[in-house]
Amino acid sequence: DGGITQSPKYLFRKEGQNVTLSCEQNLNHDAMYWYRQDPGQGLRLIYYSQIVNDFQKGDIAEGYSVSREKKESFPLTVTSAQKNPTAFYLCASSMGGVGNYGYTFGSGTRLTVV
Amino acid sequence: AQSVTQLDSQVPVFEEAPVELRCNYSSSVSVYLFWYVQYPNQGLQLLLKYLSGSTLVKSINGFEAEFNKSQTSFHLRKPSVHISDTAEYFCAVSGNNNDMRFGAGTRLTVKP
Repeated sequence: DGGITQSPKYLFRKEGQNVTLSCEQNLNHDAMYWYRQDPGQGLRLIYYSQIVNDFQKGDIAEGYSVSREKKESFPLTVTSAQKNPTAFYLCASSMGGVGNYGYTFGSGTRLTVV
Repeated sequence: AQSVTQLDSQVPVFEEAPVELRCNYSSSVSVYLFWYVQYPNQGLQLLLKYLSGSTLVKSINGFEAEFNKSQTSFHLRKPSVHISDTAEYFCAVSGNNNDMRFGAGTRLTVKP
């Protein structure tokens, strides 16, 4: 079955460490997105990519980095510059025009700073 | 740019009662509207969407939403809820720029 796979499901990070969250899709979707979810704040866009080797900052990109070397993969690195990284991270993809198709979401990664 | 306001952060209801989750949007262009549902520790699942045509759209599990352009609203309704409908619901709006904006979410709790 086609879908989006996020791994790991739970991730613990020590202060000052960089961590990378994986997002893989086999839907042949062109566009991929990373969102951060905090209680009571909905989803906030971190980065998005509409084509391989190209990506744009979202509303809260500071302290994060991404790459898009393959159509299927869009990993997110949470760097030590992100001062409050504890959150639920969601990856999504869409087939071209999001207005027509909406997003398909992964099951999320919960990141906790210890 | 588009924005979404979900007017209720929490909605408690009893089983078999009707429910309405309210959503208002703002946009200067034509919009596409969506409702997503999220169960605990999971991603979001598309519940229903309005793209064009009939203003009343329905999901397979009994939810419906009506696009009201004059009131810039897209409220979600169900005539009789079940315990299994307990979840968080997100309203989202997208314009021609492929930028989707989400509301803050409404937590629906169905009590026996």
